[in-house]
Amino acid sequence: DAGVTQSPTHLIKTRGQHVTLRCSPISGHKSVSWYQQVLGQGPQFIFQYYEKEERGRGNFPDRFSARQFPNYSSELNVNALLLGDSALYLCASSLEVVGGALDTGELFFGEGSRLTVL
Amino acid sequence: GENVEQHPSTLSVQEGDSAVIKCTYSDSASNYFPWYKQELGKGPQLIIDIRSNVGEKKDQRIAVTLNKTAKHFSLHITETQPEDSAVYFCAAPDPTTDSWGKLQFGAGTQVVVTP
Repeated sequence: DAGVTQSPTHLIKTRGQHVTLRCSPISGHKSVSWYQQVLGQGPQFIFQYYEKEERGRGNFPDRFSARQFPNYSSELNVNALLLGDSALYLCASSLEVVGGALDTGELFFGEGSRLTVL
Repeated sequence: GENVEQHPSTLSVQEGDSAVIKCTYSDSASNYFPWYKQELGKGPQLIIDIRSNVGEKKDQRIAVTLNKTAKHFSLHITETQPEDSAVYFCAAPDPTTDSWGKLQFGAGTQVVVTP
């Protein structure tokens, strides 16, 4: 079975531009989470979407937005790019978890999209 | 929210020796503790996890221990091999949110296994 797939794998943008990153979850998974991983650090939570609704948002500016489609795939959008947005953007999918965060299940990560902002 | 601290930041071991990585967490309500392995150029891969109703879990050469009283958990790798070289992350969920997809990660440990 295919794992979590992300596109593009690498991209270069300049300051002020906009970027769209895409993610397809594992078949049967209805939840998608987005993380930002700056070089040398652990992943930082950006968003979680479940059944097309936002379920959680991390400490990121409004320049970051996301959505989930009826087929459970997702897009992460970043506007007005800054140099500091250069990072590996990871998508993770998971099964529905009843009971919320205290019943957290396994997150399956994709290989990420490497964004470089010049 | 949850705060996770991880030590050491780098760990060099001889092939065949054991490696131990330790993490502490801040919120006593946390009850799920995964460990991820990230190889160069790849996404994190779950290698083992533990829930708060057990104190230890093993999977071949990998084990995780949990001390809820002290709020720390550790990853143990025995009989290390060169393919164990990678960055390892511990994580814990944020109990203050109902977002089960939100994990707080440690800063990571670069493990280097030398032949």
